[in-house]
Amino acid sequence: QQQVKQSPQSLIVQKGGISIINCAYENTAFDYFPWYQQFPGKGPALLIAIRPDVSEKKEGRFTISFNKSAKQFSLHIMDSQPGDSATYFCAASIERRATNKLIFGTGTLLAVQP
Amino acid sequence: NAGVTQTPKFRILKIGQSMTLQCTQDMNHNYMYWYRQDPGMGLKLIYYSVGAGITDKGEVPNGYNVSRSTTEDFPLRLELAAPSQTSVYFCASSYPSGGRWDIQYFGAGTRLSVL
Repeated sequence: QQQVKQSPQSLIVQKGGISIINCAYENTAFDYFPWYQQFPGKGPALLIAIRPDVSEKKEGRFTISFNKSAKQFSLHIMDSQPGDSATYFCAASIERRATNKLIFGTGTLLAVQP
Repeated sequence: NAGVTQTPKFRILKIGQSMTLQCTQDMNHNYMYWYRQDPGMGLKLIYYSVGAGITDKGEVPNGYNVSRSTTEDFPLRLELAAPSQTSVYFCASSYPSGGRWDIQYFGAGTRLSVL
């Protein structure tokens, strides 16, 4: 129940295309869903996050879509650029437990071809 | 601001050796974490701490120990290194949200090989 399942494992998109990464969870107690971006040789960094009281959050070219009933959430990268090539991790946590412990998905390696 | 600093960046250990991975943060964050990252497996939480003197096990604590004597430092100790501990280790810190977004700030990682 603590798992977050992420797909696909890898993704190749042409420049200007839309990248879509999906995650699913089982634990309905999760109340915070961040996405982290990791470039080679670096640590992950927060990209965008959502709480389940909204169905969508947009920041620039990055959008999280959240489906509470299906227990799924996804990251959409519009107008994908070569600089977006990185590994993306979805995650989930139970904020009200006040430990900020994150459960991470297995990651998606995105390659945006010029 | 340096953020979260991890040392060393790379290390090769022989089976049975021990070592300490260092982590320090200068953001006055109460919460600190150690993760390991293996290919195709995402990040797994090893140990975490919600303040100086307080630590707790994460998902994969076996073979590791931690201590938290100061707010800034959170070292991870490997005793009797095994090949299964070959991984990339990340330290992270965060501030209790108090209603704000929870953000974990990660170091650049330590790549460890046990041969």
